[in-house]
Amino acid sequence: GDSVTQMEGPVTLSEEAFLTINCTYTATGYPSLFWYVQYPGEGLQLLLKATKADDKGSNKGFEATYRKETTSFHLEKGSVQVSDSAVYFCALLLYNFNKFYFGSGTKLNVKP
Amino acid sequence: GAGVSQSPSNKVTEKGKDVELRCDPISGHTALYWYRQRLGQGLEFLIYFQGNSAPDKSGLPSDRFSAERTGESVSTLTIQRTQQEDSAVYLCASSPGGQGDYGYTFGSGTRLTVV
Repeated sequence: GDSVTQMEGPVTLSEEAFLTINCTYTATGYPSLFWYVQYPGEGLQLLLKATKADDKGSNKGFEATYRKETTSFHLEKGSVQVSDSAVYFCALLLYNFNKFYFGSGTKLNVKP
Repeated sequence: GAGVSQSPSNKVTEKGKDVELRCDPISGHTALYWYRQRLGQGLEFLIYFQGNSAPDKSGLPSDRFSAERTGESVSTLTIQRTQQEDSAVYLCASSPGGQGDYGYTFGSGTRLTVV
């Protein structure tokens, strides 16, 4: 079935370190891919998305590239800040459906 | 409204009691979704509304769970005879609807604790 797998956390980094959070997916069709972020005490917010293979989504210094050959959508940021501490969710949406499949979330802790 | 509003933000209830959770979607959003997030886990799909019909309610865990929606407006998720395993954050989201990849706008959730 359709699913999303992302790396388990927590991930603990020092400020200005490089971040990678891995995400792979299984889908029967051609999904759109998303990263959502949940800051402490807040709701989920859309961080970035990519709708087709080789597309790159980017926002707030975060990037993710839709890799069809490896069925992956890894999240990267070159230099994290303390304010990036949050839980990050990878998700997919199949074109003909209105249901997102979410990964289990990866908690990021950034230390000053 | 400007965002998705959920109420109450926190609810503590005794085992066996019924609870109602409310969601006010963004004005004009025809699609509305309920998800459940247990502590330390990902999001679990419960039900999807397009307008006031529910084409996909495959995620409702048991017949104690039900949901309804009035037109393209407010939705209520009802849990009858609550159990401790129902404790979770219940998230509502809305989107413009139809086929596409608009993404969701989520509410801040209702934290339900069953004691």
